Amino acid sequence: EDQVTQSPEALRLQEGESSSLNCSYTVSGLRGLFWYRQDPGKGPEFLFTLYSAGEEKEKERLKATLTKKESFLHITAPKPEDSATYLCAVQAPGNQFYFGTGTSLTVIP
Amino acid sequence: DTGVSQDPRHKITKRGQNVTFRCDPISEHNRLYWYRQTLGQGPEFLTYFQNEAQLEKSRLLSDRFSAERPKGSFSTLEIQRTEQGDSAMYLCASSLSPRSTQETQYFGPGTRLLVL
Repeated sequence: EDQVTQSPEALRLQEGESSSLNCSYTVSGLRGLFWYRQDPGKGPEFLFTLYSAGEEKEKERLKATLTKKESFLHITAPKPEDSATYLCAVQAPGNQFYFGTGTSLTVIP
Repeated sequence: DTGVSQDPRHKITKRGQNVTFRCDPISEHNRLYWYRQTLGQGPEFLTYFQNEAQLEKSRLLSDRFSAERPKGSFSTLEIQRTEQGDSAMYLCASSLSPRSTQETQYFGPGTRLLVL
């Protein structure tokens, strides 16, 4: 069965302390892997799409990478405003999208 | 604002009542998705449309749920005879069906449903 697992479930960082979030997947024939940010009570906000192993994308303090079995979201020198839940999703060949349960990030000033 | 919009943003209802939610996608997007999200979980796929055709429904979607997308524009999601277990955030997303395999979904703000 297609599955997406994110780790850790929660992460507390000091401001400026870099770290990485992990998303592992078991989908066969991956069509795309997506990272979203979600603030409490709001819909997910699109961050990145990755389509092939070795691909990398960056936006401000965030960098997403993809291998054949997992993706990492690297956060460099985070700020308190980066606090949110980060969701990973994969698109299977049948066009369904499967989401992980997210990593709740808290950045402490 | 040219993003995905949803209405209402919040709905409180009594068990057994029917509710209907509306989603307006980004104007040029031909695909529209509905998801349900409960606290601490990721969004769970319910159904999706390409233009006005409903192409797939999750096997988790009970017969009390129905969705429409008349004329391939806005969509409605109706829940009949609501149950307390239906309490969740209902999210809508839209995308542009690509010529290649690349597709990105953009989400609306969600409708939070509370069934008493």
